[in-house]
Amino acid sequence: SYELTQPPSVSVSPGQTARITCSGDALPKQYAYWYQQKPGQAPVLVIYKDSERPSGIPERFSGSSSGTTVTLTISGVQAEDEADYYCQSADSSGTYQVVFGGGTKLTVL
Amino acid sequence: EVQLVQSGAEVKKPGESLKISCKGSGYSFTNYWIGWVRQMPGKGLEWMGIIYPGDSDTRYSPSFQGQVTISADKSISTAYLQWSSLKASDTAMYYCAKSTGIVGASDAFDIWGQGTMVTVSS
Repeated sequence: SYELTQPPSVSVSPGQTARITCSGDALPKQYAYWYQQKPGQAPVLVIYKDSERPSGIPERFSGSSSGTTVTLTISGVQAEDEADYYCQSADSSGTYQVVFGGGTKLTVL
Repeated sequence: EVQLVQSGAEVKKPGESLKISCKGSGYSFTNYWIGWVRQMPGKGLEWMGIIYPGDSDTRYSPSFQGQVTISADKSISTAYLQWSSLKASDTAMYYCAKSTGIVGASDAFDIWGQGTMVTVSS
C-alpha cells in the first residue's frame, strides 16, 4: 500500500524557520496537501496543491516540492504554531489510494 | 458560513450497529466530495473514503473497504458513515470533511466537521 513518510518530530525556537518534509514515490505526479492539528481540534488545511495557501492562513506558511519530497516551511515560527502537521496525497497507480503521512509534532522551544 | 455539523458522541457495545451523520450548510452540498477520516486515540489521521453527493460515487481506502459504508442523502445535505458490527478497535474520533472541489476524489479538505467520538466497549 502507498505510504507518505514524515519525521515524527521537529523542534525550533521562536522566530526560526521550521521545515517539515513528506516523502512518497508518487509525489512528482500527485498534489500534496498539508494540515495543522492542535490538541482537541479538527485539522486545518494550511497548504494545497503543493504550494497554494488558503485564505486566512498566515504568509509564514509555505509549501514546496522537489522530486519525491514535499516540504512545509514555517518562517518566523510562533508559539501558536506548535501542533501536529500532516501531509496528504494519493498514489498514481490508477487506484487513487489517498493517504495521510504519519504526522510531525512541531515543538516550539 | 460554510460548515459541517456532525452527530454527537456515541458509546456502543461490540457487535452493535451504528450510523453517524455529517450535515453540510452554506454551500452547494451536491457539488463537493465529502470524505471521512479516522483518528484513533493518540494517533494520526487515516483517510477512510469519500462520496460525491451529486451522484453518490463512492471510493474507499483498501483498509476500510468492507468495514464501513459511506452514503449521502442530498435532499437533506447529509453524509453518513455506518458500521454493521462494531469492534473495540473502531474506538476513535471520526471527522467528515468537504473537498476543495479542485482535483476530485483525491482532493484536499478545506472544511472539517467537529468530529464524532465513537467508543466501543463491553
